Parts: sequence; C-alpha cells; structure tokens
Amino acid sequence: NAGVTQTPKFQVLKTGQSMTLQCAQDMNHNSMYWYRQDPGMGLRLIYYSASEGTTDKGEVPNGYNVSRLNKREFSLRLESAAPSQTSVYFCASRPYRVGQPQHFGDGTRLSIL
Amino acid sequence: QKEVEQNSGPLSVPEGAIASLNCTYSDRVSQSFFWYRQYSGKSPELIMSIYSNGDKEDGRFTAQLNKASQYVSLLIRDSQPSDSATYLCAVTPPLSGATNKLIFGTGTLLAVQP
Repeated sequence: NAGVTQTPKFQVLKTGQSMTLQCAQDMNHNSMYWYRQDPGMGLRLIYYSASEGTTDKGEVPNGYNVSRLNKREFSLRLESAAPSQTSVYFCASRPYRVGQPQHFGDGTRLSIL
Repeated sequence: QKEVEQNSGPLSVPEGAIASLNCTYSDRVSQSFFWYRQYSGKSPELIMSIYSNGDKEDGRFTAQLNKASQYVSLLIRDSQPSDSATYLCAVTPPLSGATNKLIFGTGTLLAVQP
C-alpha cells in the first residue's frame, strides 16, 4: 500500500547544481501537486497538474519546472539551485472527484549550500 | 487577509483534556474542509473531512463547520501526548473545479502535557 512515493528523501546540493525530485502515486489519482514547506510559511503550492498532460503554476513557481510524465508520475526540477530553495518538498495527489482530500508523500528534505 | 487563518500556538493542554483548534477562511462559498495532522519531521496526514454545516465525529475527533461564520474547528477529546503535533486546516476554494487545489493554513502547534 505505497500511496505517494517521493525520491530522494534527503539531498544536499551546491548552489547552481540541478536536480529532479521524483513523485509517483499508485492510487489512480488524476491530480498531482508539488508543495514546499518552510518554517512559519505553511505549505505553498509550487506547481500542479490537474490531469495527465496538463501542468499549471501555483503560488511560488519561480526557479522550478515540472513534468507530468504519465498519470502516475509528476517530477519537479530545479535547474540552477539557490540557497532560497532549501526547504522540505511534498508531493500530493487527489482523485478527480471535486471535494476530495489530497494525500501526501513523505517529503524530500533539500539543502542548498 | 489570509485566505485560511489559524492561530500558530502553541496550544498547551493537559492530558485527558479537550483540545480545541480553530480555523477561519475568507471565501464564504468555499466547499470542502479538511484537517491534517503533521508530526515534526513528517508529512501531513488527513484526519477529518467535513462538507456541510454541523458536527462530524470520528473517534476522539470532532470537526465542526459553520459556513455562515466562516469557521471550522477541530475538537480532540481525551487528549493524549501522542496528539502533540501541528494541525493544518485546508479549504477547497470556490471555482477550483478540476484543479482540486487546496488552500492551507499555517497550522496550530498542539502540545499535550502528561
């Protein structure tokens, strides 16, 4: 019963490096989301994909790109990492039916030096 | 004004007491309301959903929704030290449609004292 799986769980990068955070869900959900969580700021939406083949910007998209590879997978890419992107990143998914809750992965703890 | 507001706490209650967590939201026609629990260093975990005015009970948890006053609350009866966590309120904004986005509050830290 995996639910939402995120990889890696921890990562340390140097400023300017790039990396991709992976997310996969096995619940046949249509919608997927990427959030970052910083102390005192709560969960902020970076990008989301309402359905396979679509992606849209959220509240804080600058410095990130996403790919909805298929219905199961939604990746987040940092092209040139900056210290301000040090955060905990959560992926979530949600069924298509309106009003359903989101289900979260375990998160990726990312530090940019 | 933030769309979803919560007191950041910490809210400290003795073991066995009732913990009352509150959340207000700005858009009167919001549709769906959720409470998530987040332990330190862990991901948010859904504990309650509520969609219509009134109370919804699940074990020691009761969610209360008052759309006219635009608030949703979570009561935890017989609080245990294991309930110590941050509680996030989340609201589905109107016109979210197929995006199914949620707006989260910043959370209330609950500390249950043994």
